[in-house]
Amino acid sequence: DIQMTQSPSSVSASVGDRVTITCRASQGISSWLAWYQQKPGKAPKLLIYAASGLQSGVPSRFSGSGSGTDFTLTISSLQPEDFATYYCQQANSFPRTFGQGTKVEIK
Amino acid sequence: QVQLQESGPGLVKPSETLSLTCTVSGGSISSYYWNWIRQPPGKGLEWIGNIYNSGSTDYNPSLKSRVTISVDTSKNQFSLKLSSVTAADTAVYYCASSRGVWFDPWGQGTLVTVSS
Repeated sequence: DIQMTQSPSSVSASVGDRVTITCRASQGISSWLAWYQQKPGKAPKLLIYAASGLQSGVPSRFSGSGSGTDFTLTISSLQPEDFATYYCQQANSFPRTFGQGTKVEIK
Repeated sequence: QVQLQESGPGLVKPSETLSLTCTVSGGSISSYYWNWIRQPPGKGLEWIGNIYNSGSTDYNPSLKSRVTISVDTSKNQFSLKLSSVTAADTAVYYCASSRGVWFDPWGQGTLVTVSS
């Protein structure tokens, strides 16, 4: 299985801050990576696909980059509705695997 | 747009079989891949497996010996069966669509507790 490791596990930030979350794959996955946002009690929501593709309806303050083994999710200016947990997911091979999550908390 | 809704018992006894159904509305199940994903309370996401409309399946090796995913195209539904459950199988179970790789959309999730 491909292991996905996110860092940090949690981050405290203020509204307006730039936030960067990283995800590392245990082997190369090209651009087969997605990012999801999950709010408490809700299902995850697809934000970014193919490492840098912005899902329809997702604000442009979210962006993704990377390829191979190292990826980043950036929120350019944190908004109140962005406080949530974020997961990366690889789609290079089965079984599909997720990172352990990064919780973005209010500072 | 496509919407998914999970249904099934919220409580299952240890050693029994967990059975859930996902109903697809707003689109045909005869396209794309259909997935089950679970999340233990307070923990991360685990992909269980998927099925294509042809009936072909892929399962997580960690669960493969206990999992069966099936599809009923006449009802626009797909189902999950997980046998010999233990407390470790307590989780929110989500169904989700994927065009092969990305999970979107998701159902709202259903909590299944394994307890006697």
